Amino acid sequence: GAGVSQTPSNKVTEKGKYVELRCDPISGHTALYWYRQSLGQGPEFLIYFQGTGAADDSGLPNDRFFAVRPEGSVSTLKIQRTERGDSAVYLCASSFSPGNTIYFGEGSWLTVV
Amino acid sequence: DAKTTQPPSMDCAEGRAANLPCNHSTISGNEYVYWYRQIHSQGPQYIIHGLKNNETNEMASLIITEDRKSSTLILPHATLRDTAVYYCIVSAGGTSYGKLTFGQGTILTVHP
Repeated sequence: GAGVSQTPSNKVTEKGKYVELRCDPISGHTALYWYRQSLGQGPEFLIYFQGTGAADDSGLPNDRFFAVRPEGSVSTLKIQRTERGDSAVYLCASSFSPGNTIYFGEGSWLTVV
Repeated sequence: DAKTTQPPSMDCAEGRAANLPCNHSTISGNEYVYWYRQIHSQGPQYIIHGLKNNETNEMASLIITEDRKSSTLILPHATLRDTAVYYCIVSAGGTSYGKLTFGQGTILTVHP
């Protein structure tokens, strides 16, 4: 498709488990972003990639959260030792280059039980 | 990035224009005004953005006051499918790599 693609769309996991969320940005987009949205709140910035490198990871809540983008395209958000408070929608977005319009995917709904 | 203020909710009749206000009195000269919307259970959808001139696209019009301290998003003929949360965001574009800070937004309800 032409948009940002995220998988899985829904994930239920047990507390303490490891989770990976995948994002496939719009083709040709060099900038990639991860956001997190809790129920009733607006999305909150987590991390931004320009190419393969994380240019700003100031939004990651703690060291259980990590993201990679090894080839400058697909990105994976990794969450270790999940906690119930990690339950949220994880949104991925991309833009052609930094500062251009940002387009979002549909999100991955994570529920930690 | 400058902070924005939006009414928490608004109603609009189907077929009428929806005018959504946004206050951004501390906006800087290099900051753009962006509008996104989020329909229930979907990701945010880009609508429009502008710097100081009014802008129009196939979805909406953006009117920015001359002093740039406020703006209005106009949906000219609202439909039931326009019911969503609308976010007004101020961002410095290239200088902040487009990092967006979302507020609470305005819940627009379009009714028959």
